[in-house]
Amino acid sequence: EAGVAQSPRYKIIEKRQSVAFWCNPISGHATLYWYQQILGQGPKLLIQFQNNGVVDDSQLPKDRFSAERLKGVDSTLKIQPAKLEDSAVYLCASSLLILTAGDEQYFGPGTRLTVT
Amino acid sequence: QKEVEQDPGPLSVPEGAIVSLNCTYSNSAFQYFMWYRQYSRKGPELLMYTYSSGNKEDGRFTAQVDKSSKYISLFIRDSQPSDSATYLCATSGTYKYIFGTGTRLKVLA
Repeated sequence: EAGVAQSPRYKIIEKRQSVAFWCNPISGHATLYWYQQILGQGPKLLIQFQNNGVVDDSQLPKDRFSAERLKGVDSTLKIQPAKLEDSAVYLCASSLLILTAGDEQYFGPGTRLTVT
Repeated sequence: QKEVEQDPGPLSVPEGAIVSLNCTYSNSAFQYFMWYRQYSRKGPELLMYTYSSGNKEDGRFTAQVDKSSKYISLFIRDSQPSDSATYLCATSGTYKYIFGTGTRLKVLA
């Protein structure tokens, strides 16, 4: 079974530029998550999708971050404009079920973003 | 108070040692407890999954949950240099996971 795919793996941009990350979850997984992991910290949930609807985006900085999952499969996370503090690893995860407590999450390799 | 607290380490042990990694949590509603292993420049990999209190063993790994003290542990027996990684605990009471900061482990050959 193929895992969660993400691209690009690495990205370096200047502040105020825009950037987009792509994620393809495990086939058949209904729920998709985007996390931000700053160096030395645990993953922080940015947004959670159930199929193509948003379940939780309470920690997404909506003035600069946006995400979509149009066909309920793959997803894109965008930052515009980027700030220095956005330097982090952006992790995508997926889980099989919808709004089910304790459903196991599987992570992709992440995209390492450096903002200079 | 953070919902999940985890000592960031680093923790260095000799090969073959028993490693104990720990987390505390604050919300008594949490029922699901996970341990993830994260190698450098990789995504977290699910290692152990436990529901409610008790122990769960898988090979050299044992996960332990004590809900009365809100304390979760991961034990690694006969540690190997390949176990060197960051270990993240995570808890969930609903569909949302809360992660600890991770403990960096280094097993010395």
